[in-house]
Amino acid sequence: GAVVSQHPSRVICKSGTSVKIECRSLDFQATTMFWYRQFPKKSLMLMATSNEGSKATYEQGVEKDKFLINHASLTLSTLTVTSAHPEDSSFYICSASSTLDAQNYGYTFGSGTRLTVV
Amino acid sequence: AQSVTQLDSHVSVSEGTPVLLRCNYSSSYSPSLFWYVQHPNKGLQLLLKYTSAATLVKGINGFEAEFKKSETSFHLTKPSAHMSDAAEYFCVVSAYTSGGSYIPTFGRGTSLIVHP
Repeated sequence: GAVVSQHPSRVICKSGTSVKIECRSLDFQATTMFWYRQFPKKSLMLMATSNEGSKATYEQGVEKDKFLINHASLTLSTLTVTSAHPEDSSFYICSASSTLDAQNYGYTFGSGTRLTVV
Repeated sequence: AQSVTQLDSHVSVSEGTPVLLRCNYSSSYSPSLFWYVQHPNKGLQLLLKYTSAATLVKGINGFEAEFKKSETSFHLTKPSAHMSDAAEYFCVVSAYTSGGSYIPTFGRGTSLIVHP
């Protein structure tokens, strides 16, 4: 089945630094990738949708200059949290799909990245 | 527009008893519906999906769900709970949007607690 690899699984960084999270589809071409943020005991909040080769579409209230998303290839999308602050600490999850498969086979999720900003 | 309502934030059952996690949805287009499970600090795993085929869908680990269009529901059930079922469960609806893409919308999640 489809596999999405998300790296790193856990990262601790100092306030003011930037952190990059990678999301790779290992055995399929992901035309669309989604980035979510999950607060403790809360549902997943969609941050942005990225299509390969084009700019990401950000949800209302998500700062595009703070959360930089790049989807340069059909197998890789990255989320960079720039100038991180403690309030950015959260669990970030990516999801990938191909356009036709999503409706029929569902969305494949990465295992998540626990970001802690100190 | 589409939305998902998971009616219970927490469900508590005893091991060996039935599980019912409720989900109602709304969608302007014919939706696909999914249930995902998330264990602590883990990603999401697909339990089952409805994609306009059979309305009773069987998934992994003994879970199943029935799509009821007239009730706009997609409740998740399991005949007998196991301790390992304790986790967070998300109901997800995905349909074609006016923007020309499919975007999954998550319910708020239901925490399943299983007592020995």
